[in-house]
Amino acid sequence: QQQVKQSPQSLIVQKGGISIINCAYENTAFDYFPWYQQFPGKGPALLIAIRPDVSEKKEGRFTISFNKSAKQFSLHIMDSQPGDSATYFCAASPRAQKLVFGQGTRLTINP
Amino acid sequence: NAGVMQNPRHLVRRRGQEARLRCSPMKGHSHVYWYRQLPEEGLKFMVYLQKENIIDESGMPKERFSAEFPKEGPSILRIQQVVRGDSAAYFCASSVWGRRHGYTFGSGTRLTVV
Repeated sequence: QQQVKQSPQSLIVQKGGISIINCAYENTAFDYFPWYQQFPGKGPALLIAIRPDVSEKKEGRFTISFNKSAKQFSLHIMDSQPGDSATYFCAASPRAQKLVFGQGTRLTINP
Repeated sequence: NAGVMQNPRHLVRRRGQEARLRCSPMKGHSHVYWYRQLPEEGLKFMVYLQKENIIDESGMPKERFSAEFPKEGPSILRIQQVVRGDSAAYFCASSVWGRRHGYTFGSGTRLTVV
């Protein structure tokens, strides 16, 4: 019940395309859903986050879509750029504050 | 305003030695979290501390691992009698009120046990 399942494991997108990464969870106590971006040798950096009372949140080229009834959420990266090549993690948090991370998606944007 | 500082960045230990990983939170942050990342995997929660208190250690292995966050100084994650399976990247994060108000990760300590 504490798991967050993320797919795909790896993704290759052409420059200018849309990158889509999906996550699913089981625990209905989760009430905070962030996405993190991690470059090699660095710590994860918060990209965007959403609460379950909102179905969509957009910040620049990054959009989270949230489906509470299906217990799924996804990250969309519009106009993907080579600088977006990184590993992306979804996460979820119950009120206890610790984050439960997905397994990660290695995104490669081809120029 | 420096971010979350972790040191050392890389640590090599022989089996059976002790490893000490340090984390200095961002200025004004009083909550510290430790996570472990195995190769090609996501981060796994280990422990959540406030100054002088362990709030949640549900992710800590029962033996050999301990953590502290003293009134003065950095938070320390201590691994006694390291084994090859302890090789991983260990990340520390800090926040003010918890994850709702900014949860910033350090660059991690990469522990290699030989």
